[in-house]
Amino acid sequence: ETGVTQTPRHLVMGMTNKKSLKCEQHLGHNAMYWYKQSAKKPLELMFVYNFKEQTENNSVPSRFSPECPNSSHLFLHLHTLQPEDSALYLCASSQVGGRETQYFGPGTRLLVL
Amino acid sequence: TQLLEQSPQFLSIQEGENLTVYCNSSSVFSSLQWYRQEPGEGPVLLVTVVTGGEVKKLKRLTFQFGDARKDSSLHITAAQPGDTGLYLCAGEKTSYDKVIFGPGTSLSVIP
Repeated sequence: ETGVTQTPRHLVMGMTNKKSLKCEQHLGHNAMYWYKQSAKKPLELMFVYNFKEQTENNSVPSRFSPECPNSSHLFLHLHTLQPEDSALYLCASSQVGGRETQYFGPGTRLLVL
Repeated sequence: TQLLEQSPQFLSIQEGENLTVYCNSSSVFSSLQWYRQEPGEGPVLLVTVVTGGEVKKLKRLTFQFGDARKDSSLHITAAQPGDTGLYLCAGEKTSYDKVIFGPGTSLSVIP
C-alpha cells in the first residue's frame, strides 16, 4: 500500500450505532488530519495531530472522538451520530503540521440513518 | 461569509473548449493551492503559488496568483473529459495558520 488509505470506503449506520473510521499513511509523515466534506460546503477541518498529539479541535461535537496511536494511524470513533453528520470524511497527512503539502486519502462515505 | 470564494460553482463544457475558474478573497494569503478531486476520491494537489503575480503551468493548466495575493485563477486549454472533477482552492494567511478550503468549482467536460 502506498499513500494514504482509508477504511471502510462506505459506511451506513444508525443513530445508536458505534463505529470507527481508520486512516493509515505510508508516507513517513508526522501530521495527520480529519476533514468533513458535505455537499455544497467547503472542506471542514475537524482535527489535527502532530507527532501523535492533538493540536487542533475545530469545535467538533463530542460524538466524534479521534485517536492517534502513532504517526501512521488515525482513527475517528463515531457514536450517537445525527443524520446531518452524513458526509465524506477525508483523512490527510503532511510532513509538518499545517505548512506542508497535504496528501489526502480517498475518504469514507458515511450515511447516518 | 466564506473566506475563500470560488466561481463558477458549476461548469459544463464541451471537449476542446477553454475555461477559467476563479478563487477570490478579501484577505491576503501567503500561499494558495489548487487541488482536483475526482468522484469517489480525495483531493490531489495540482500546484502551490506563493509569490504575487506568479504564473505556473502544468501541461494544459495555467495557474496565476494575483498581484495582491488575494485571488487566483486556473485556466484550462482544450479541456478533456479527464479534466472532469471538483477544483478546490485552499490557502493559508500566514505560514502559522491552518489551511482554509474554498467550496470548489465542479467541472464537467463532455466528450
